[in-house]
Amino acid sequence: DTEVTQTPKHLVMGMTNKKSLKCEQHMGHRAMYWYKQKAKKPPELMFVYSYEKLSINESVPSRFSPECPNSSLLNLHLHALQPEDSALYLCASSQRLAGEGGELFFGEGSRLTVL
Amino acid sequence: AQSVSQHNHHVILSEAASLELGCNYSYGGTVNLFWYVQYPGQHLQLLLKYFSGDPLVKGIKGFEAEFIKSKFSFNLRKPSVQWSDTAEYFCAVKTGGYQKVTFGIGTKLQVIP
Repeated sequence: DTEVTQTPKHLVMGMTNKKSLKCEQHMGHRAMYWYKQKAKKPPELMFVYSYEKLSINESVPSRFSPECPNSSLLNLHLHALQPEDSALYLCASSQRLAGEGGELFFGEGSRLTVL
Repeated sequence: AQSVSQHNHHVILSEAASLELGCNYSYGGTVNLFWYVQYPGQHLQLLLKYFSGDPLVKGIKGFEAEFIKSKFSFNLRKPSVQWSDTAEYFCAVKTGGYQKVTFGIGTKLQVIP
């Protein structure tokens, strides 16, 4: 079992819908990440939060809006998505950004389908 | 920008065969290196990690990897694979102020009983 919990596991939404993906960890990690993984591709970094502040935005379109309400929670708000945004969205956390403790722990992902 | 290359995209081995999966990265600075495994239907799990010190690192389930700085490589090895090792293996590199983890394209390993 993973200690990073993502909900929902599956989400189907229309292009005009607004939805959110949620991620929770209770390991006391101070860095949290969103990755996107398309079929037969490696995970691609979207956002990094460190101590609840956005640290990296990998030029992600504004229709994806991350939020880190506290050190245990990470949300990804979705609005006006396109069918090509359909993918597995992975949340990860790490104890710290660099050095020992910098390894990522992944959730099982939220599989998003945009119709 | 850093990149990670995994040379073998699909490997098929018989049980008890030895395994070596290649991983090279392009980044001149200090790196943290990882191998992750994704078993069918499961989430990404850390197999082993290198931060500093002994370049030969041991991970779970009998896997090991060797960091060769001069070759920018971090190859994964296992002396004798089992059917349960069937999975996809990703090499990953952490650079850029250590915030950004970049993954290789992955290697699908199929072990035949």
